[in-house]
Amino acid sequence: RKEVEQDPGPFNVPEGATVAFNCTYSNSASQSFFWYRQDCRKEPKLLMSVYSSGNEDGRFTAQLNRASQYISLLIRDSKLSDSATYLCVVIPLANQAGTALIFGKGTTLSVSS
Amino acid sequence: EPEVTQTPSHQVTQMGQEVILRCVPISNHLYFYWYRQILGQKVEFLVSFYNNEISEKSEIFDDQFSVERPDGSNFTLKIRSTKLEDSAMYFCASSELGRWETQYFGPGTRLLVL
Repeated sequence: RKEVEQDPGPFNVPEGATVAFNCTYSNSASQSFFWYRQDCRKEPKLLMSVYSSGNEDGRFTAQLNRASQYISLLIRDSKLSDSATYLCVVIPLANQAGTALIFGKGTTLSVSS
Repeated sequence: EPEVTQTPSHQVTQMGQEVILRCVPISNHLYFYWYRQILGQKVEFLVSFYNNEISEKSEIFDDQFSVERPDGSNFTLKIRSTKLEDSAMYFCASSELGRWETQYFGPGTRLLVL
């Protein structure tokens, strides 16, 4: 089983749509969770950290379900500039270092006018 | 806003040659990382570095790879004898505190091994 799994998409949505991405992780002892965004041929950029209580940043809402080992990202009122690949990222408790980010393969979003 | 920088942006080399990829982490950050992304695949962790020693490394980071902080600002990744399968985008990242913390990525070096 892959450590971090995501639906690769692509998700093709019109401007203004609401879209949700899901991610599952295999290591139940994982400690930290993030959503990163990656534009074509660019570096990953942090979109938001994901907290157990759920958190919101403008149009973006992240949820974590530790029991189901499931993370979600909701984007409301999609903009053209949201078109990118969204990467689910986990830091597992493989050892005590806690420094290795484990990436999913990403979900591609394309927003059209 | 402080950024991680990397040089060169592109590097082409012949199989068997040594390459050194350079990074300047954000100045007050203490933890440094290298990741790679083969075209069309996911980003993969290579190594983390703190206090002048390796903190964690993956199975990919074998004896062909080494890292160094030669001075107060640079962080380098050396590949001793490149293979075709080393062709990838190599990202450097840094974080302020390390464990469980947000990591900030540089723009990457695209390495092509012929």
